[in-house]
Amino acid sequence: EAGVAQSPRYKIIEKRQSVAFWCNPISGHATLYWYQQILGQGPKLLIQFQNNGVVDDSQLPKDRFSAERLKGVDSTLKIQPAKLEDSAVYLCASSLVAGAAYNEQFFGPGTRLTVL
Amino acid sequence: AQTVTQSQPEMSVQEAETVTLSCTYDTSENNYYLFWYKQPPSRQMILVIRQEAYKQQNATENRFSVNFQKAAKSFSLKISDSQLGDTAMYFCAFMKRENNAGNMLTFGGGTRLMVKP
Repeated sequence: EAGVAQSPRYKIIEKRQSVAFWCNPISGHATLYWYQQILGQGPKLLIQFQNNGVVDDSQLPKDRFSAERLKGVDSTLKIQPAKLEDSAVYLCASSLVAGAAYNEQFFGPGTRLTVL
Repeated sequence: AQTVTQSQPEMSVQEAETVTLSCTYDTSENNYYLFWYKQPPSRQMILVIRQEAYKQQNATENRFSVNFQKAAKSFSLKISDSQLGDTAMYFCAFMKRENNAGNMLTFGGGTRLMVKP
């Protein structure tokens, strides 16, 4: 079974530029998560989708970050304009469905963003 | 809101020996899950072990076991017979057990484990 796919693996941009990351979850997984992991810290949830609807985006800096999952499958996360403090690894994860019954979250390899 | 604290930024252990990583958490919830994740240099988070808060028995997965103390809000990971491949960052994480669609993970700051030959 193919895992969670993310691209690109690495991205270097200048501050104030725009950048987009792509995630393709495991086939059949209804729930998709984007986490931000700053160097030396644990991942922090940015946004959670259930199919193509947003479940939780309370920690997403909406003035510069946006995310979509139009067809309920793959997702893109965009930063516009980027700041130095956005340098981090962006992890995508997916699970069958979220709810009371436990479903494991499977993580992709992440995209490492460096903002200069 | 939940918080997860890992007080050991770095640890090392000799190959074949046993090491224990510490984790404490704070929550007002009664139903939740606790996890240990491993993150090798490849960056991919891998689930090591899961504990359900309503179960008193400590979870075990081969060489990995936990010591879950619910009243003390403590959740440590013991790695027995350490192997070179265990070298990685280890994250403790918390998840509320909910009936709706919210299942976010709250992570601690991580412990870097180095297994020495």
